[in-house]
Amino acid sequence: KAGVTQTPRYLIKTRGQQVTLSCSPISGHRSVSWYQQTPGQGLQFLFEYFSETQRNKGNFPGRFSGRQFSNSRSEMNVSTLELGDSALYLCASSLTGSAEAFFGQGTRLTVV
Amino acid sequence: QKEVEQNSGPLSVPEGAIASLNCTYSDRGSQSFFWYRQYSGKSPELIMSIYSNGDKEDGRFTAQLNKASQYVSLLIRDSQPSDSATYLCAVREGRRALTFGSGTRLQVQP
Repeated sequence: KAGVTQTPRYLIKTRGQQVTLSCSPISGHRSVSWYQQTPGQGLQFLFEYFSETQRNKGNFPGRFSGRQFSNSRSEMNVSTLELGDSALYLCASSLTGSAEAFFGQGTRLTVV
Repeated sequence: QKEVEQNSGPLSVPEGAIASLNCTYSDRGSQSFFWYRQYSGKSPELIMSIYSNGDKEDGRFTAQLNKASQYVSLLIRDSQPSDSATYLCAVREGRRALTFGSGTRLQVQP
């Protein structure tokens, strides 16, 4: 059974640009959550989607947005990139919102 | 603010010993508890989940939950150098998002 797939794995962007990250959940999983991980802040929750609806949202500015498609694949977008957005962005999928969550390999974003 | 607290470590144990990792949480409504292992430069990997008070064993791993004390622990028996990693405690209330602790770095000395 394929795991959670995130693309791309690595990304270098310039300050002010925007970026879109993609996440394909485990087959059959309907919940997709996004997290930002930095050395100083640890794992911070961004948002969760379930059946194409945003169900939970963390404390991030509106520059961070996401969506989920009918096949449960999800994308997150960051606009007007700042240096502080450099981080490992992790996607996790679960059968439902309360079940075990499995992480993808992550996308390492570097903003220069 | 719902919080999950872990000692950052490093926790250093000799090979073959028992490693004991601890986690406390502030939200009494929490219902699901998870331990993830994260190797340097990699993503978190789910190793244990526990939902009711008591112990849950899986191979060399035992998770312990005490909801009255708001305390979760992970025991690793016969620790191996390959167990050296950061262990993240995560807690969930209902369908809310997982809340993670900052992790405990474990070092197993050969």
